[in-house]
Parts: sequence; structure tokens; C-alpha cells
Amino acid sequence: DVKVTQSSRYLVKRTGEKVFLECVQDMDHENMFWYRQDPGLGLRLIYFSYDVKMKEKGDIPEGYSVSREKKERFSLILESASTNQTSMYLCASSLGASVITDTQYFGPGTRLTVL
Amino acid sequence: AQKITQTQPGMFVQEKEAVTLDCTYDTSDPSYGLFWYKQPSSGEMIFLIYQGSYDQQNATEGRYSLNFQKARKSANLVISASQLGDSAMYFCAMRESRYSTLTFGKGTMLLVSP
Repeated sequence: DVKVTQSSRYLVKRTGEKVFLECVQDMDHENMFWYRQDPGLGLRLIYFSYDVKMKEKGDIPEGYSVSREKKERFSLILESASTNQTSMYLCASSLGASVITDTQYFGPGTRLTVL
Repeated sequence: AQKITQTQPGMFVQEKEAVTLDCTYDTSDPSYGLFWYKQPSSGEMIFLIYQGSYDQQNATEGRYSLNFQKARKSANLVISASQLGDSAMYFCAMRESRYSTLTFGKGTMLLVSP
């Protein structure tokens, strides 16, 4: 089974803090993704990576950066957290085959609250 | 314009009954894939079922089936014999061949009552 883990289920930070959200997958997947989920807005893609040290902006990259130094690990960084970044953050990975059947598998999510 | 539309914010069904969750999509790409995910209150997104645009038959996975009507651009999820554990948020998503990312709908909350 594919296993995607996220470093924290719940996180509380203060405005202005630098926040790291970590995601690890154990299936040698090429692609990794970060989403945020807000009520009424569904899932929105922040960033994704299709290879080590490669990254692509998603729909809402502002205020975020990412790092992928190793294939299995994809980090989301909030350089200076703000209250409007309070949200559920979901990480996903996929095999990376360039076919439409490439399925994304998700981690358990991190509920981040910025005070 | 939204690419994935789920018009039902919430649905109620009694245990052991079947339920259909609606999903319509919009694309000009002839090659695409449609996915359904389940999100229980715990938060994890669980992959349920996949349908490809060129698939001749509707996808099925256990109690889940996909009613795929290509001309209408709809990909409704059918859950047969609902169980209490089916209570969750359900998301429809699409991947077009030119992109490597998924576009999600806003979801439908399903509540199964005894």
C-alpha cells in the first residue's frame, strides 16, 4: 500500500513565524503535491514537484515555497505565517507516469492554525 | 468557469439504500481521467474509483460504480447498499492529458442514517 505521511496532524503557530510542513512517501513516487483545503473552496493546488529539486507553481503559490531535496520528501514552507493561511494542508504523491490514469494518494492532512 | 461541478452540497441516505452523487465536468481535451475520492472526518483523502475518457465500460470497485455519460460530460458516483461508514465528504476530480495535476470539485457531504 502507498503510504504518505505528514509530520503533524495539528499545528498552531503565531503570525510571522516560519512554518515547515513535511511530507514523506514510501513508494518511490516521482510526483508530489501540496494542497490547501478550505470550506466551500474545495482543494486548491499550491505547488507540485515532478522530480528532485524541481517544482512548479499551482493555483495559489503566493505566500508559500517548497523544497524537494530527496525524492521521498516534499516540504511546504510558510516564510511568514499569516492568519489567512489557517487551513487544512494535504500532501499527495503519484507514480509520475505521464498518463491520465496516474492516481494521487494523499496523506492524513495537517490542520494549521495561525494566531 | 468551473471544470468540475458537484451540485449537491449534501445528501442524506438510509443505510442499505443506494445513492448517486453527481459530478459534471468541462473539458475540450479528448483524453482525460475522472477520479472520485472520499474524505472522512479524519481528513485523509481516500481514492475510490477511476474512469478514463476512452474506457468503454463504466468503472466498478466493490460497492462503488461510476455512471459515465460522456456526451453529457457527467461522471456520477453510485454507492450501493450504503453503510454508516460511508458518511463522508466525496470529491470528484479530473485530470486532462495536457496537465499533470488534478482539478477538484467542491465536494458533496454524504450522511448515512441507520
